[in-house]
Amino acid sequence: EDQVTQSPEALRLQEGESSSLNCSYTVSGLRGLFWYRQDPGKGPEFLFTLYSAGEEKEKERLKATLTKKESFLHITAPKPEDSATYLCAGDNTDKLIFGTGTRLQVFP
Amino acid sequence: GAVVSQHPSRVICKSGTSVKIECRSLDFQATTMFWYRQFPKQSLMLMATSNEGSKATYEQGVEKDKFLINHASLTLSTLTVTSAHPEDSSFYICSASQGQGAYGYTFGSGTRLTVV
Repeated sequence: EDQVTQSPEALRLQEGESSSLNCSYTVSGLRGLFWYRQDPGKGPEFLFTLYSAGEEKEKERLKATLTKKESFLHITAPKPEDSATYLCAGDNTDKLIFGTGTRLQVFP
Repeated sequence: GAVVSQHPSRVICKSGTSVKIECRSLDFQATTMFWYRQFPKQSLMLMATSNEGSKATYEQGVEKDKFLINHASLTLSTLTVTSAHPEDSSFYICSASQGQGAYGYTFGSGTRLTVV
């Protein structure tokens, strides 16, 4: 059965304290691995799509990487405005399989 | 970039009434749209997949007679919650597959439904 698991569930960081979020996946025929950011009461906002192991993508303080079993979202020197829930999802060609997300809080 | 508009953002209705939520792709044609439900501090749960001009495909455990989905055009899908009850209160989110050679999924801003 297709499954996506994210860890940790919640993460508290001091401003400037870099860290990584993990997404482990078992998705048959993976077409793409997606990262989204979701703010409270809002829909998910697209961040990255990764297609093959070894691929990396960057956007400002965020960098996403992909292996055959996991994806990582690295946050470098985070700011309070990076506080949000980060969702990972695998596309099995029929639909997106979402993880439960990591709630990130960055304190000044 | 691709934009999906979802309306209303918030709705309160009385128990037993029906509520319609609209999802529009503003700058692209969406052959496939998806409807999700999200409970507090939980992830998105796919309810159904709809393709333009055909019946929606519902996920296991989702009542198709309660959650009516219509995808009559390439830019509009609607979700109607019929005979709503307090347990239907939730955050509903739609997304659209960009299609036409562009790969990706764009999400609406969500609808907070409260049934009283």
